Amino acid sequence: SQKIEQNSEALNIQEGKTATLTCNYTNYSPAYLQWYRQDPGRGPVFLLLIRENEKEKRKERLKVTFDTTLKQSLFHITASQPADSATYLCALDMDSSASKIIFGSGTRLSIRP
Amino acid sequence: SQTIHQWPATLVQPVGSPLSLECTVEGTSNPNLYWYRQAAGRGLQLLFYSVGIGQISSEVPQNLSASRPQDRQFILSSKKLLLSDSGFYLCAWRRTGDNEQFFGPGTRLTVL
Repeated sequence: SQKIEQNSEALNIQEGKTATLTCNYTNYSPAYLQWYRQDPGRGPVFLLLIRENEKEKRKERLKVTFDTTLKQSLFHITASQPADSATYLCALDMDSSASKIIFGSGTRLSIRP
Repeated sequence: SQTIHQWPATLVQPVGSPLSLECTVEGTSNPNLYWYRQAAGRGLQLLFYSVGIGQISSEVPQNLSASRPQDRQFILSSKKLLLSDSGFYLCAWRRTGDNEQFFGPGTRLTVL
């Protein structure tokens, strides 16, 4: 069955640095991969989606890459700020109909001033 | 615009008691609907999803069930709660053929 792994449970970095989070998956390559942000006690909020034929996607200070050979996506936050502290989840579709989406366990990112 | 509601926001129930959590979506029709559970400090576990009225797919065998009596209503139920059912329950919706999921505010369930 398809599995998603977010290698770091927690990541602490200095404000202003670039945060890089990793998402790996097994088995078949999904048509797309998504990244979400979750704050404590809240539901996840969609950030970015990248398709299998895209190598990179950007949105303001966020950048996502997708390497279908390595079966890996990297999520970058440049010029990180304390307000970026949250848990970040990657998600991908489980079947071709894309009705079912599964999430990784998340990486808790802390940006210290 | 679309909104998603979940209630109650918090719930404390004794072991063996029944459960009913409700989720409704406004401003869209025929959405795909999802129930997830998140244990403390853990990721999201997909419990059920539905692509239409009366159509329920179960992901994890357990003492929970789901129903979709109306197009924009999704209900999570249990006849007898277990301690292990404690967690943060999230409902989500997605437009058919679209990718992004929109999540509700969640229900924090504590089973004692």
